[in-house]
Amino acid sequence: GNSVTQMEGPVTLSEEAFLTINCTYTATGYPSLFWYVQYPGEGLQLLLKATKADDKGSNKGFEATYRKETTSFHLEKGSVQVSDSAVYFCALIQGAQKLVFGQGTRLTINP
Amino acid sequence: KAGVTQTPRYLIKTRGQQVTLSCSPISGHRSVSWYQQTPGQGLQFLFEYFSETQRNKGNFPGRFSGRQFSNSRSEMNVSTLELGDSALYLCASSSGQAESTSPLHFGNGTRLTVT
Repeated sequence: GNSVTQMEGPVTLSEEAFLTINCTYTATGYPSLFWYVQYPGEGLQLLLKATKADDKGSNKGFEATYRKETTSFHLEKGSVQVSDSAVYFCALIQGAQKLVFGQGTRLTINP
Repeated sequence: KAGVTQTPRYLIKTRGQQVTLSCSPISGHRSVSWYQQTPGQGLQFLFEYFSETQRNKGNFPGRFSGRQFSNSRSEMNVSTLELGDSALYLCASSSGQAESTSPLHFGNGTRLTVT
């Protein structure tokens, strides 16, 4: 079946560092891909998405490109802030609003 | 526009009891999905309802059930609670029209603790 694999966490960076969180997927066909973020005590918020190969999703300085050849959707940000500290989930959609999530990567940014 | 509202925020139940969780979607959204989040298993899809019909179901035992009302509000029920049912239960709503382009909006969840 479809699955998503994220890099192991936790990830700790200093403010203004470059961020990469790796995400690869296994799927039949070409699913839409998503990054969600979860802040403490809250639900998930959609960060960005890409619906077809070579699409680049971007939001709040974060970017991810849908790479069909490597089945990847890595999340990047050029300069992280303390407020970016959260848990990040990569996901694909598998029909009728069913999201398949990666295990999540906890990110901590130190000032 | 009000977001997705889940009630209650916290619940403590005893093994063997049953529980009902409630979700009010964003106004105009007709699709409601439920997810279970645990440290060990991560986020897992339970089921999705659209216009009062279950459209998709995950791999959970029959003790987990749900329904959707004509106003799109949804409830999830877990019977004969087990310790392993302790989790954060998240509800998400969307327009449900186009699965790849209709983003899901999540509530803040109900934290269920089974003792």
